[in-house]
Amino acid sequence: DIQMTQSPSSVSASVGDRVTITCRASQGISSWLAWYQQKPGKAPKLLIYAASSLQSGVPSRFSGSGSGTDFTLTISSLQPEDFATYYCQQANSFPPGTFGGGTKVEIK
Amino acid sequence: EVQLVESGGGLVQPGGSLRLSCAASGFTVSSNYMSWVRQAPGKGLEWVSVIYSGGSTYYADSVKGRFTISRDNSKNTLYLQMNSLRAEDTAVYYCARDSKEGSGWYPEYFQHWGQGTLVTVSS
Repeated sequence: DIQMTQSPSSVSASVGDRVTITCRASQGISSWLAWYQQKPGKAPKLLIYAASSLQSGVPSRFSGSGSGTDFTLTISSLQPEDFATYYCQQANSFPPGTFGGGTKVEIK
Repeated sequence: EVQLVESGGGLVQPGGSLRLSCAASGFTVSSNYMSWVRQAPGKGLEWVSVIYSGGSTYYADSVKGRFTISRDNSKNTLYLQMNSLRAEDTAVYYCARDSKEGSGWYPEYFQHWGQGTLVTVSS
């Protein structure tokens, strides 16, 4: 199975900062990657699909890029509501829909 | 509006069984890929199982042979039958539906999620 590795596992940032999260696949997955946001006690929310397509209703400060094995999620200007945990998920060889370990974005 | 409501979680002893339900509204369960995803306390997300619109089913290695995914079209409800439960199955279980964005269908992504139901396996 394909393994997904996220880095960093946590990041401290301030409102207005640019934040970048990385996800690496153990083998090439083309652009078959999604990003999710999860707040404590809530279900995950789909932000980005197909590596760079913004889900409808998601603010444009979120963007995704990459293909093959290396991907990034960028928040261009961090807002208070963006403090959460972010997960990547590969969809190239589905099932299984393997998730990364998560990156917690915390207030600095 | 798409809605998913899970139920059936609770405390069960190791080796026991539990059946989770996910009642759907706003769409037809049998026309979509429906998955179960779980999250152990303080841990990340783990995909558990999927049932395709055509009826094919797939499982994570960690639950294969113990869990069964199914659906009742007349009730528009998804199920997860969990047998031979272990402590490591303790988690919040979410049901999730595939993604339909505009005219595109992305069956491998999870666009809609329920609120989750907690399963605790402990003696």
